[in-house]
Amino acid sequence: GESVGLHLPTLSVQEGDNSIINCAYSNSASDYFIWYKQESGKGPQFIIDIRSNMDKRQGQRVTVLLNKTVKHLSLQIAATQPGDSAVYFCAESVAGRDDKIIFGKGTRLHILP
Amino acid sequence: SQTIHQWPATLVQPVGSPLSLECTVEGTSNPNLYWYRQAAGRGLQLLFYSVGIGQISSEVPQNLSASRPQDRQFILSSKKLLLSDSGFYLCAWSEQPGTEAFFGQGTRLTVV
Repeated sequence: GESVGLHLPTLSVQEGDNSIINCAYSNSASDYFIWYKQESGKGPQFIIDIRSNMDKRQGQRVTVLLNKTVKHLSLQIAATQPGDSAVYFCAESVAGRDDKIIFGKGTRLHILP
Repeated sequence: SQTIHQWPATLVQPVGSPLSLECTVEGTSNPNLYWYRQAAGRGLQLLFYSVGIGQISSEVPQNLSASRPQDRQFILSSKKLLLSDSGFYLCAWSEQPGTEAFFGQGTRLTVV
C-alpha cells in the first residue's frame, strides 16, 4: 500500500555487484505490478512489469520476482552500474477494476565505486 | 509514438493564489490519466485519476481539484494554495487498465 509519508530507505551496493530491491504490497486483489526508476528531478520511468499469473520475469539486466503468498515483489539488477543510481518504486493495480495505480514507498539505490 | 507534456516545469506561487497545471497526451486516444504528488524524498501519492472526459476520481480530500475538458487534457487546479501544497506534481497516462503508466517530467511547485 501507500507509504508516501515515510523517508525512503537506502540500499548501498558496490559497482558490479547485484542489487535486490524489495517491495511489499497490500492489496491481495492486485494482479498487475510494475517497477519504476526515478532519477533526481525527473518523472518515474518504466523498468519492467509482471502479471499475477507469473512469478518471474526477466528483462535486460533486470529480473522481477513475485510471491503472491506473502504479497512480496523484488527487483534484481545484475552487475549494478553507476547509472543505476536512482529511486526505485514498485506499483500495483487491479486490472480492469478501478484503474488506479498505487505506488509503494520506494528505495534509494546508491552505487559505491 | 505517444508523448506526454506537462508544464510548467517549475512554479513559485504565493499562499492564497490560484493554481493551474496542465498535462496533455499525444498519440493515443481515451487514455487513463493520473495526477500524483511527491513530497521531497518521499513516495508518490495518487491525487486524481480519470478514465474519460469529465470523469474524475479523487483519492484524497484536499485543496486541489482536477478536470478533464478534452480526451487528452488533464488539469490540476486550486482556488487558493496552501503552504502544504508544495511538492513535485506528476501527470501520467496509461493505455488501459492493467498496463503501465507513463509519466511526464513533473512540475515542482513551491508555495511561499
